Amino acid sequence: SQTIHQWPATLVQPVGSPLSLECTVEGTSNPNLYWYRQAAGRGLQLLFYSVGIGQISSEVPQNLSASRPQDRQFILSSKKLLLSDSGFYLCAWRKRTSGGTGELFFGEGSRLTVL
Amino acid sequence: GENVEQHPSTLSVQEGDSAVIKCTYSDSASNYFPWYKQELGKGPQLIIDIRSNVGEKKDQRIAVTLNKTAKHFSLHITETQPEDSAVYFCAGADGLTFGKGTHLIIQP
Repeated sequence: SQTIHQWPATLVQPVGSPLSLECTVEGTSNPNLYWYRQAAGRGLQLLFYSVGIGQISSEVPQNLSASRPQDRQFILSSKKLLLSDSGFYLCAWRKRTSGGTGELFFGEGSRLTVL
Repeated sequence: GENVEQHPSTLSVQEGDSAVIKCTYSDSASNYFPWYKQELGKGPQLIIDIRSNVGEKKDQRIAVTLNKTAKHFSLHITETQPEDSAVYFCAGADGLTFGKGTHLIIQP
């Protein structure tokens, strides 16, 4: 069966420090991968998505970047965190064969607090 | 991404009563309509979805209905239980754009 892992689960970082959140998917090949942010409140904002190794699309301009060094690994990074980067970050995957629709499978999330 | 609007933002119902959450979409070509449930501190999880070739789909106490003419689809939960308390999201046809969520509170 497929699983998705995200870490760290919780992170407290000072303003201006770097960030690296990691996500790996197991049990599937060639997944589409996604990073979402959920700020205080409830909305889910799509930040980045990837359809293959080294292929990253950004949905919103921001202080963050993403990379996909391996087929089932997705990394969210920042060189210098801002207060506004605080939030709950969710990694998700979807089968590439889903034809542009279909179920998204989410990780457990990483809660980032920037002080 | 497609525009989806979800109502209400908060819904409080007595345990055992029914709950209905509505989602309105903008793209008339949409053909996929999912609902996700997010429990506190966890990632969202798909609970039910429907394709445009059917008007209703049921899975035990939950159902989704689709009105393509009015461009909205609804989540129905019957005989609500405490474990139904969560935030519920609809998503657009691309499955990537989410509504703002509905906080469902089940009162004992």
